[in-house]
Amino acid sequence: NAGVTQTPKFRVLKTGQSMTLLCAQDMNHEYMYWYRQDPGMGLRLIHYSVGEGTTAKGEVPDGYNVSRLKKQNFLLGLESAAPSQTSVYFCASSPGGTAMLFRGYTFGSGTRLTVV
Amino acid sequence: SQKIEQNSEALNIQEGKTATLTCNYTNYSPAYLQWYRQDPGRGPVFLLLIRENEKEKRKERLKVTFDTTLKQSLFHITASQPADSATYLCALEDTGTASKLTFGTGTRLQVTL
Repeated sequence: NAGVTQTPKFRVLKTGQSMTLLCAQDMNHEYMYWYRQDPGMGLRLIHYSVGEGTTAKGEVPDGYNVSRLKKQNFLLGLESAAPSQTSVYFCASSPGGTAMLFRGYTFGSGTRLTVV
Repeated sequence: SQKIEQNSEALNIQEGKTATLTCNYTNYSPAYLQWYRQDPGRGPVFLLLIRENEKEKRKERLKVTFDTTLKQSLFHITASQPADSATYLCALEDTGTASKLTFGTGTRLQVTL
């Protein structure tokens, strides 16, 4: 099925470890986003990309890096994990522009990350 | 500061009734407002989008209103069913922000028999 695929679905990290979350979309969308979702805080934008080779900071970028080397993939990296980064991470994509008006964002199913 | 507010308390209604959820915002000039549904352990799913110059939008049993003077959107589900039980999120794109959405914290709807 077409959509957004996130890997892994679950992960437990020790403080200080690094990891990369992978997001892949097969809808030829220009825009991709990484959000984190915490209880009572809602979805908060970490980083986003408006096209291959471009990235920009969102609301809560500290402690994260991203790369968009291919249009279909958007990677989120944690260089040195901290307990405050325990969260559920969602990737989303959108076509951007006027096409967005009819389809909104398409989200992945999330990655549940625990940092101990 | 910019803020999007949704009722954090769960809304409990009886099957067949109309559910009404509220989304209020401050310090935004949204080009449009969107509503999403999120089930436990899943990502949000897009439901409806309403533009700033539209007063009302309908899709099957769903109706959304958008009042830019009151800075409020109402989301209605008519003839509600237990399968409608989920968390509903509103989201705004501020004008000129490259399609970046800011989400409210969501309201959980529970429809009982």
